[in-house]
Amino acid sequence: EVQLVESGGGLVQPGGSLRLSCAASGFTFSRYAMSWVRQAPGKGLEWVSAISGSGGSTFYADSVKGRFTISRDNSKNTLFLQTNSLRAGDTAVYYCAKDNSAWYSDYWGQGTLVTVSS
Amino acid sequence: ETVMTQSPVTLSVSPGEGATLSCRASQSISSSLAWYQQKPGQAPRLLIYGTSTRATGITARFSGSGSGTEFTLTISSLQSEDFAVYYCQQYDNWPITFGQGTRLEIK
Repeated sequence: EVQLVESGGGLVQPGGSLRLSCAASGFTFSRYAMSWVRQAPGKGLEWVSAISGSGGSTFYADSVKGRFTISRDNSKNTLFLQTNSLRAGDTAVYYCAKDNSAWYSDYWGQGTLVTVSS
Repeated sequence: ETVMTQSPVTLSVSPGEGATLSCRASQSISSSLAWYQQKPGQAPRLLIYGTSTRATGITARFSGSGSGTEFTLTISSLQSEDFAVYYCQQYDNWPITFGQGTRLEIK
């Protein structure tokens, strides 16, 4: 059974940083691309970033480019999202998702809440 | 960036009836379209990918169609568990983009 468990969210001041993690199990982690998708309170889904199975290719939404960094540790079956220079507009539930070769997400975690506020 | 526009924003339908949700892309995305269902307090769930292929475990009451820029999700004989928010997503080009969602509510 595929399981994705996010952690690392919390309350942070504007300009601060958080490192989100996603522990994966139930599939061969290194074979699959992974993504982060976020959802602001009461709003729709926003794709944030994606990374290939090897980690050699990464992609970002314009809204986070230069501030967020996606990475993965295939030896530990873990996906990361380093979030820097956080703004109020980054407040959201951040979901980790397993992608297939075509970049749609077939499994999702339950999300971790990031709140940016002073 | 490919803008995805869903209509209607809210759809009110009685249980047992069918529903048709639309999604339009601002440029051609071939058949690289997925549909997700999200219920309150839950993560999204993949329903359809490749425009018309049902994901594992998804009932045949859900069907997808379309190509290019116009896509449709059809739900037949609505059950209570189908009332939720539905999102379309294009994965043809970067950045990946979602529609704003259609809320399917009980009439």
